[in-house]
Parts: sequence; C-alpha cells; structure tokens
Amino acid sequence: AQSVTQLDSQVPVFEEAPVELRCNYSSSVSVYLFWYVQYPNQGLQLLLKYLSGSTLVKGINGFEAEFNKSQTSFHLRKPSVHISDTAEYFCAVSDADSNYQLIWGAGTKLIIKP
Amino acid sequence: EAGVAQSPRYKIIEKRQSVAFWCNPISGHATLYWYQQILGQGPKLLIQFQNNGVVDDSQLPKDRFSAERLKGVDSTLKIQPAKLEDSAVYLCASSLGRTGNTEAFFGQGTRLTVV
Repeated sequence: AQSVTQLDSQVPVFEEAPVELRCNYSSSVSVYLFWYVQYPNQGLQLLLKYLSGSTLVKGINGFEAEFNKSQTSFHLRKPSVHISDTAEYFCAVSDADSNYQLIWGAGTKLIIKP
Repeated sequence: EAGVAQSPRYKIIEKRQSVAFWCNPISGHATLYWYQQILGQGPKLLIQFQNNGVVDDSQLPKDRFSAERLKGVDSTLKIQPAKLEDSAVYLCASSLGRTGNTEAFFGQGTRLTVV
C-alpha cells in the first residue's frame, strides 16, 4: 500500500533564506503528487500538483517541486522565504492502488526566523 | 466563488455525548469528503460521497460515526457516543471529480475536544 514520509516534522529557517521540505512516497507506479499548505487556523490549500509532463512543477507563492521517479521523491522548494510562509505543509499522493484516495504525510511545520 | 463552509468551528463535549458537524460544499462539486486530522498527523479519510452515494467509508468507525449527504449537497457527520480519542479537527472537502486528477477544496474545519 502507498505511504508518504515527510522526513522533517519542523524546519526552522531564516527569512529570505532558501528552504526545501522533503517528501518521499513508497510506490512508484503511476502516481499523482500534491503539496498542500495549512496556515494557522485555516483549511488546507493546494500549493501545487504533479499529474504528468514536466517533472518541475511551479505553484503559488513562489513554491516549486520536482518529481523524481527513481528516488520516489517530490521535494518542495522556495528560493527565498518570507514570514508569511509560516505554516504547515503536507505532501499527499494518490494512485490506482489507493483508488485515487489521497494518502497524506504527517506534515512539516515551516518556522521562519526573523 | 464561495468556499467550503463548515460549522461549528469549535466544539467541546464530554465523553459519551453526541455531536454533529455540518458541511456545505462548493456549488456543483459532486464529490464530498470528511477527514479526521489528529494533532501531529496528516488528514485521514473517513468517508467519501459521490453525489449522495457513498464511495468509500472503509475507515469510518461505523459503531459510533455516521454521515449522510442530503440530496447530494450538504453533509452532516455525527459521532455518538464520543470518546476521548475522537478529539481532532474534522475537515470537509469537495471536488468536481475524483481526487486523482482534480483539486480538493477544504473548509476551515471543526476542532472537537472531548473531555
């Protein structure tokens, strides 16, 4: 069965520094990949998704992610973070084995230090 | 475009009491989901509706949880009786189609505390 691992529960980073949030999944059979963001006291919002095509996906708020099939990874990156990026970030995967249900990682809290 | 509406935002109940949550999805979205998000974990799907039919309720604890989707629009999720371990945020989401290739839009959630 598909599983999703977000290796870091928290990532502290200084404002204007680059950041990478890591996501690995277990099954490499045709997958759809998503990153969602949850700002404090708000619902989940889609940042970006990979369905097919180019392995580099650009999303909202300057975020991008790269699909690496051989490493079964979908890491999220931003070249320069702002205080407003403080949130929890969730990676999710769906595939035919999961009947296209979203399988979620445990989340990574991005903490921006001034 | 109005988003997914959920109420209440917060609820505190004693164990063994019952509670109900309400969700109004985005207009025209055929698929509706209820998720449970326990602190420190990702969301867990409880039930998925396609219009007013249940597509997947394999992870719904049916001895205490129930859900319905009236006329394929609004939905309610009920817990009776509640246990301490039900303390979580309950998220409702909706999408035009199946999650595999369509975006799911989430409500703000209902934070349930069982004491």
